[in-house]
Amino acid sequence: DAGVIQSPRHEVTEMGQEVTLRCKPISGHDYLFWYRQTMMRGLELLIYFNNNVPIDDSGMPEDRFSAKMPNASFSTLKIQPSEPRDSAVYFCASSLTGLRGYTFGSGTRLTVV
Amino acid sequence: AQSVTQPDIHITVSEGASLELRCNYSYGATPYLFWYVQSPGQGLQLLLKYFSGDTLVQGIKGFEAEFKRSQSSFNLRKPSVHWSDAAEYFCAVGAADSSYKLIFGSGTRLLVRP
Repeated sequence: DAGVIQSPRHEVTEMGQEVTLRCKPISGHDYLFWYRQTMMRGLELLIYFNNNVPIDDSGMPEDRFSAKMPNASFSTLKIQPSEPRDSAVYFCASSLTGLRGYTFGSGTRLTVV
Repeated sequence: AQSVTQPDIHITVSEGASLELRCNYSYGATPYLFWYVQSPGQGLQLLLKYFSGDTLVQGIKGFEAEFKRSQSSFNLRKPSVHWSDAAEYFCAVGAADSSYKLIFGSGTRLLVRP
């Protein structure tokens, strides 16, 4: 199994541009999570899906952020417009058996200049 | 609400010395507890986890952790540190409801002296 695959690994964009981060969960996993890691706030949960349905988006910082999961094998996290304070590492994780089977991707390092 | 506290921001140990990283949690029920390690520029790798049963759990890379309910702690230990252990370590508590969310501590950065 290839694990959770995130793309791109690094993204540098200018303030105001739209940014799309992508995640392919492990096949068969029915939970998908988006986390953000910053120096100031550490690792925080942004949103999670169960069977492609968003369950809890209370961690999404503001309306500029949106996430979708159109099918069981793909999810996107979009920021529009991007701001320098969005610079962070964004992790995707998926799970089949709840907490016992939690797997993280390698992350996307986003830099907004 | 669940929370995780890692009181040490940085810890420096000499190679070959023993290590203990502290983690305290707040959770109303029996928690699911985890330790992850993150090397610079890398993702999160699971070291070990506790769900139930034996309170001393063994993980990868020679790490172990002990769950102490009375102290609400889940400290990570290693008897002899290697230079390659230098990294950031995160303790996390998992919601035992249907959400499977993880709440992370702020992390402890381990530095290893030659």
